[in-house]
Amino acid sequence: NTVMTQSPTSMFTSVGDRVTMSCKASQNVGINVGWYQQKTGQSPKRLIYWASNRDTGVPDRFTGSGSGTDFTLTISNMQAEDPAIYYCLQHNSYPRTFGGGTKLELK
Amino acid sequence: EVQLVESGEGLVQPGSSMKLSCVASGFTFSNYGMNWIRQAPKKGLEWIALIYYDSSSKYYADSVKGRFTISRDNSKNTLYLEMNSLRSEDTAMYYCAKGSSKLDWGQGVMVTVSS
Repeated sequence: NTVMTQSPTSMFTSVGDRVTMSCKASQNVGINVGWYQQKTGQSPKRLIYWASNRDTGVPDRFTGSGSGTDFTLTISNMQAEDPAIYYCLQHNSYPRTFGGGTKLELK
Repeated sequence: EVQLVESGEGLVQPGSSMKLSCVASGFTFSNYGMNWIRQAPKKGLEWIALIYYDSSSKYYADSVKGRFTISRDNSKNTLYLEMNSLRSEDTAMYYCAKGSSKLDWGQGVMVTVSS
């Protein structure tokens, strides 16, 4: 099975900061990775698909990059509405696997 | 707009069975693979099953293989998850999700397994 390892597990940031979080796959998954945002009490929402494609309506401060085994989600200008847990998901093979999540909080 | 509405939530005893449903609207259900994903309290997301658009293939996580069965009825735009031999560790919010790569999520239903 493909293990997805996210880092850091949590981070504190401030409005206006640039935030970078990582997702590493235990084997090559190509660009078959998505990023999902889960705010407290809500179901997850897709932000990025195929590693770097931003979903319709997602602010352009969210950028996904990477291929193979190393993937990154960057928030260029942290906003007050962005605190959440962010998960990566590989859909290259079965079973599908999520990373453990990165919890993003405001200072 | 994609809408996925799960139902069947509840409290059951260990060893018992339960069936979840997910009614889809806002897209052509019969064209898409569908998933079940769960989230234990205060834990991360765990993908548990996927069924192809035409039910020709089904895939499961090791944690539920042999106990859970995913199925669908395209005439009713409905996805199902039959859960047998339930354990306390199956306690979670269960989400249905559209798609095999780009997931759209329902609001989830809570399943609690406890004596």
